[in-house]
Amino acid sequence: AQSVTQLDSQVPVFEEAPVELRCNYSSSVSVYLFWYVQYPNQGLQLLLKYLSGSTLVKGINGFEAEFNKSQTSFHLRKPSVHISDTAEYFCAVSETGGYQKVTFGTGTKLQVIP
Amino acid sequence: DTGVSQNPRHKITKRGQNVTFRCDPISEHNRLYWYRQTLGQGPEFLTYFQNEAQLEKSRLLSDRFSAERPKGSFSTLEIQRTEQGDSAMYLCASIPEVGSEQYFGPGTRLTVT
Repeated sequence: AQSVTQLDSQVPVFEEAPVELRCNYSSSVSVYLFWYVQYPNQGLQLLLKYLSGSTLVKGINGFEAEFNKSQTSFHLRKPSVHISDTAEYFCAVSETGGYQKVTFGTGTKLQVIP
Repeated sequence: DTGVSQNPRHKITKRGQNVTFRCDPISEHNRLYWYRQTLGQGPEFLTYFQNEAQLEKSRLLSDRFSAERPKGSFSTLEIQRTEQGDSAMYLCASIPEVGSEQYFGPGTRLTVT
């Protein structure tokens, strides 16, 4: 079994400031890691993914995340946020084998303040 | 590649009625997943198909829920005798192969009154 913890349910940040959204996971097997973004009343859009290789992953819209296996973390960062980044962000994991169903965290609402 | 589509996008129904949702995955994606997302929560896994075979069902999928994927293409999720607790966003996702991210549809928002 696996689980995902997003410690911050809401993160307010001023426009053009940096932001970090925290994610920790638990799993007894090797995992793939993802960050998805969800805008109101819409589906999920993939921001970035870690499948293997470099632990620093760059995604769309200027976001990046770093996989830290020893700390079982996959924090999401952006050096300068825009108003358009206001949305809910979900960290997710799936096993590398098996059926690859995804386990999601409870989400972090990022509110960018003008 | 037109993405994963879901219909309807919104459904309002009265308690006790049956509803059916449809998901059309990206063509040639042989793995299909259903998730449910309630307000303020992340999506939760409901069931998984590989081609036409339903290989895993969550304990969240009570006997009022049934899913099918005839011929391994589109999938349907039916809820019988709906309850207010069934109100949620129902998301469908597909992947082409092992080791890929899941591609999500826009979801069907169900409101049970």
